[in-house]
Amino acid sequence: DTAVSQTPKYLVTQMGNDKSIKCEQNLGHDTMYWYKQDSKKFLKIMFSYNNKELIINETVPNRFSPKSPDKAHLNLHINSLELGDSAVYFCASSQGLTHYEQYFGPGTRLTVT
Amino acid sequence: GQNIDQPTEMTATEGAIVQINCTYQTSGFNGLFWYQQHAGEAPTFLSYNVLDGLEEKGRFSSFLSRSKGYSYLLLKELQMKDSASYLCAVRDRAQAGTALIFGKGTTLSVSS
Repeated sequence: DTAVSQTPKYLVTQMGNDKSIKCEQNLGHDTMYWYKQDSKKFLKIMFSYNNKELIINETVPNRFSPKSPDKAHLNLHINSLELGDSAVYFCASSQGLTHYEQYFGPGTRLTVT
Repeated sequence: GQNIDQPTEMTATEGAIVQINCTYQTSGFNGLFWYQQHAGEAPTFLSYNVLDGLEEKGRFSSFLSRSKGYSYLLLKELQMKDSASYLCAVRDRAQAGTALIFGKGTTLSVSS
């Protein structure tokens, strides 16, 4: 029944490692997003994909690479993790580029030590 | 660029009415959204305004004035479960396309 799901829910890793977060939506939506929420709870867009094509790439280090194998999935790979990458990462989806409501996944809390 | 301002914290008592204000500056305004986020959970959609005026949805209402770059979220008959963070977000065609640009959120504490 879960509309937007993410795995893992928690991720603890060391600096310098490479990790991936997976996101899947079963809503039949065309557009998916990755947001980052920092320790001050500020939620900021990172990437936006529509029909597997990258639409937005905000000012994000190129250590972050999104990959969309199909419309229902948008994964986030992070290379050479840094302490500042510690945050909660939310995946979201919407019906299309013009549809307004975005559905958020439960979030992945990444802690880099 | 864009700038979205909302109060950091607010407190209220059960049964009361609270208004959370949000001001914004955008280049290509294309809608204003309110989301609710309980601690440790994902944001959930509350309301959407793209035209001026008031949108009512049960105990929650949202107002927009595009000329003033101003919105508010009105919560009536407050309940303890309304204690959460309320995020104002705008969609700006000139930036971020259809993605949402969020304010820093207002943490609302409801006491009995």
